[in-house]
Amino acid sequence: AQRVTQPEKLLSVFKGAPVELKCNYSYSGSPELFWYVQYSRQRLQLLLRHISRESIKGFTADLNKGETSFHLKKPFAQEEDSAMYYCASHQGGSEKLVFGKGTKLTVNP
Amino acid sequence: EPEVTQTPSHQVTQMGQEVILRCVPISNHLYFYWYRQILGQKVEFLVSFYNNEISEKSEIFDDQFSVERPDGSNFTLKIRSTKLEDSAMYFCASSGPFRGANVLTFGAGSRLTVL
Repeated sequence: AQRVTQPEKLLSVFKGAPVELKCNYSYSGSPELFWYVQYSRQRLQLLLRHISRESIKGFTADLNKGETSFHLKKPFAQEEDSAMYYCASHQGGSEKLVFGKGTKLTVNP
Repeated sequence: EPEVTQTPSHQVTQMGQEVILRCVPISNHLYFYWYRQILGQKVEFLVSFYNNEISEKSEIFDDQFSVERPDGSNFTLKIRSTKLEDSAMYFCASSGPFRGANVLTFGAGSRLTVL
């Protein structure tokens, strides 16, 4: 069965510091990986997906099949990045997204 | 930007009562989903719906749950006889129009509290 692990429940950094939110997945095939973000009092929204290979709001994420990881990175965190971040995977042949438990990122001034 | 709309935002009900949660997906989307999040836990898949029928459901989605698209715009989740453990945030999502897009647009959620 698919499993997505986000080992950090809480992550706190200072503004301007680099940030990395970890995500590991367990799936033997080629899953599609996503990062979703939920800002305070807002809805869950897509931040980025691995097949797009794009940078959104300064965030990037690289799929590492050898380490089965899809860590989210930003070189210089901003206060407005404070939010709940969820890693999710989609397995071919299934309709569902499997989510990790989420990491609450706090960027302090 | 188009949004997925959910009502009610919060519902409190007594155990054993029926509850209907409503969703209006994005108009040109073809795939519809319900997820739930029990407080402090993961967002979990419940069911997906395509072409007026359930395309996949999780083991959580037992006989107490049903979904319907009664009028071509609303997408509803019914819980027949609520239990305490049904208390959760329920998220509706939609995607499409191309199968396999897998990019879900979520609603703001409906918080269900079962007393």
